[in-house]
Amino acid sequence: GAGVSQSPSNKVTEKGKDVELRCDPISGHTALYWYRQSLGQGLEFLIYFQGNSAPDKSGLPSDRFSAERTGGSVSTLTIQRTQQEDSAVYLCASSSTSGAGQFFGPGTRLTVL
Amino acid sequence: GDSVTQMEGPVTLSEEACLTINCTYTATGYPSLFWYVQYPGEGLQLLLKATKADDKGSNKGFEATYRKETTSFHLEKGSVQVSDSAVYFCALVREGGSEKLVFGKGTKLTVNP
Repeated sequence: GAGVSQSPSNKVTEKGKDVELRCDPISGHTALYWYRQSLGQGLEFLIYFQGNSAPDKSGLPSDRFSAERTGGSVSTLTIQRTQQEDSAVYLCASSSTSGAGQFFGPGTRLTVL
Repeated sequence: GDSVTQMEGPVTLSEEACLTINCTYTATGYPSLFWYVQYPGEGLQLLLKATKADDKGSNKGFEATYRKETTSFHLEKGSVQVSDSAVYFCALVREGGSEKLVFGKGTKLTVNP
């Protein structure tokens, strides 16, 4: 497709379960980002991948959160032992060059019961 | 650390009114500046950007000028439409940093016919 895609669009899980969220960036974009959007915290950076460089994980809120990017394309964000405070919309974005602006996917709405 | 401050919302205007949403930032050097828009039920879209001082970004009738002396990037539109109703986010990317976006808290705009 032409844009960033994310799956699933909605995920409801029980506290303590693990979840995986997927992101397919725009073809050819070397940079990929994860953010989350919640009512209390606004939009927060989580992690950034650029080519083969080590990712910038400075925004991950705890060691329950991890992400990987395989083959320089698709990325998976994993949240282990989910907590209710993890409920948010998780957004993925990609970009081609520095300063060009990031293009966002529709997000995955995660609800932890 | 880097931060973005936007005017508190919500903002309610009548169609064809003038719009200004104030945005100021704190960052070292010369960050790149962005406005993103989130229409109801949709994802974040890049509205406009400016990458150096005195640059003016424009799109869909919206404009914003990068003012280094006042560390501001105010969003303006001369005549708003009902279809402009959305949440607007000001954001920056630090110069020479990891490319992560730092967002303001967002300003909700409602335009009434």
